[in-house]
Amino acid sequence: GAVVSQHPSWVICKSGTSVKIECRSLDFQATTMFWYRQFPKQSLMLMATSNEGSKATYEQGVEKDKFLINHASLTLSTLTVTSAHPEDSSFYICSAQDVGGLGETQYFGPGTRLLVL
Amino acid sequence: GQQVMQIPQYQHVQEGEDFTTYCNSSTTLSNIQWYKQRPGGHPVFLIQLVKSGEVKKQKRLTFQFGEAKKNSSLHITATQTTDVGTYFCAGPREETSGSRLTFGEGTQLTVNP
Repeated sequence: GAVVSQHPSWVICKSGTSVKIECRSLDFQATTMFWYRQFPKQSLMLMATSNEGSKATYEQGVEKDKFLINHASLTLSTLTVTSAHPEDSSFYICSAQDVGGLGETQYFGPGTRLLVL
Repeated sequence: GQQVMQIPQYQHVQEGEDFTTYCNSSTTLSNIQWYKQRPGGHPVFLIQLVKSGEVKKQKRLTFQFGEAKKNSSLHITATQTTDVGTYFCAGPREETSGSRLTFGEGTQLTVNP
């Protein structure tokens, strides 16, 4: 149980285009999902907290107009990187909190590697 | 703000040797969680510790939560090549009800066969 999927797993795009990443909880409902980015050999940096049916909460320094988050249902959250630039290239990972699980435990998706040319 | 620190940053061991990573928080934690990330993979939840002084074991892995609930450790006995990866500890943000986590920088373990 507690499986989280992400799509796509890899994306290469040109500078200036927008990229949409989907995060799904497959076998449980998640009122809260989280979006992280991770640079090589570094820790996970929380970008935003996505709550079903309400606006996302962004961490300090993360541009909400740049990284659009939509949490339309209890099993799906999307992150759209708008007008992507090479510095946005990173590993983006979502996680979902299992409502019926161990409280704050988060289950991570497999991640999306974004390369902006 | 809250900081979660881990040492060492890197650890190289020979297969069969033991390994320990330490996690320290600048604030008292309601719980601490450990995750493992294999090279090229994503973090996978290992365990959650809640009680002061709690010790939990998973086969060759032993997890400990300090009495003051500010530090934790992960000890692996007789490492195997399958233990390779980065181990992260994480604690709930102090200013929230506990949903958001602050991750340590991780300890990258390599095991030489």
